[in-house]
Amino acid sequence: DAEITQSPRHKITETGRQVTLACHQTWNHNNMFWYRQDLGHGLRLIHYSYGVQDTNKGEVSDGYSVSRSNTEDLPLTLESAASSQTSVYFCASGDPYEQYFGPGTRLTVT
Amino acid sequence: AQKVTQAQTEISVVEKEDVTLDCVYETRDTTYYLFWYKQPPSGELVFLIRRNSFDEQNEISGRYSWNFQKSTSSFNFTITASQVVDSAVYFCALRISGNQFYFGTGTSLTVIP
Repeated sequence: DAEITQSPRHKITETGRQVTLACHQTWNHNNMFWYRQDLGHGLRLIHYSYGVQDTNKGEVSDGYSVSRSNTEDLPLTLESAASSQTSVYFCASGDPYEQYFGPGTRLTVT
Repeated sequence: AQKVTQAQTEISVVEKEDVTLDCVYETRDTTYYLFWYKQPPSGELVFLIRRNSFDEQNEISGRYSWNFQKSTSSFNFTITASQVVDSAVYFCALRISGNQFYFGTGTSLTVIP
């Protein structure tokens, strides 16, 4: 069965460190998205990609970057982690009618 | 600009009561999709329903029903005879052209046994 996975599921890091969260999907979707979920804000879009070599900034992209070298993966990098980036991160992939979400990564920046 | 508003932050009901979760959206696009997702305590996001802007028919699926009204830009979700397993955070979302989703801030539903 097709799926979307995220790793790690939990991560604790220190302020200033670079962190990369992995997202892998086997749906063969062109569209992939990264969101962060914070209490009182719902899910906010960080970056998204409509295909290989395509990346776009979302609503809250500062401090984050993505790259898309193949269809299956969209890693999210925090260049220099900050405490404000403590959150739950969801990756999603989709067709025009639905987004399929990964299980989420809980990131704590100390 | 696109926006989804879920004014109810938290709702508590006693088991077997009916409950309606409100969702109001804003968009200038004439073609769009509306969604509801459920996030149980385990944390995953579960797709519940999709409705496109040209289909205002209400939908019922078991104990769940959805009322889409373009005139009031609302897409409300009703759970009939609520159960403890319905306890979760529910998100309403809007998709316009370009496949971007805009989520509301969620409504946390607690069903008390």
